[in-house]
Amino acid sequence: QVQLQQWGAGLLKPSETLSLTCGANGGSLSSFFWSWIRQSPGKGLEWLGEINHSGSTNYNPSLKSRLTISVDTSKNQFSLSLRSVTAADTAIYYCADTAVDLWGRGTLVTVSS
Amino acid sequence: DIVLTQTPLSLSVTPGQPASISCRSTQTLLHSNGKTYLYWYLQKAGQPPQLLIYEASKRFSGVPARFSGSGSGTDFTLKISRVEAGDLGVYYCVQSLLIPWTFGQGTKVEFK
Repeated sequence: QVQLQQWGAGLLKPSETLSLTCGANGGSLSSFFWSWIRQSPGKGLEWLGEINHSGSTNYNPSLKSRLTISVDTSKNQFSLSLRSVTAADTAIYYCADTAVDLWGRGTLVTVSS
Repeated sequence: DIVLTQTPLSLSVTPGQPASISCRSTQTLLHSNGKTYLYWYLQKAGQPPQLLIYEASKRFSGVPARFSGSGSGTDFTLKISRVEAGDLGVYYCVQSLLIPWTFGQGTKVEFK
């Protein structure tokens, strides 16, 4: 059974870049689009963006200037990069294949000086 | 952005009794293809959300029949016919008709 495993740094300083990667264990990324979603106490659940196997992306306009989502189909992985983070970016970040309701376990990212 | 408003935000229920959650959208979620892009998720403590209902009224694979979704256009309802302990958590409606996808504020369901 395919599982999504995610990894990346959990503690950042303001102005640094948040980088997370999500990989499919036990199978291939099979759906058309894969997403990043975050959850913070202040803003609830927030959709960040999505990417497909050919690298076509859709971003949340509120983050578009700081956000890059990329894919490496040879490794069955997709990644998130969020630049110039602030405390407001502190959240649990999830990768997901929402078409089949497959989610990573979430990564708590804390931005603090 | 499309705004989804859930009511109530908190629901105390008696085990075995029904529960109902409303979700109202600022725009119709009906696509020209005939599909309605409204989903219902349940998030249990310490877990990512899990899909219950897609396209407003279709139960996702493995979801018990006590969960049902209804509604159209801008008004939607999630009903649980008999609430069980495993149903406790926060319920969210979500729209994917327009980018960015947006979520309701969440409805916390707990036992009395």
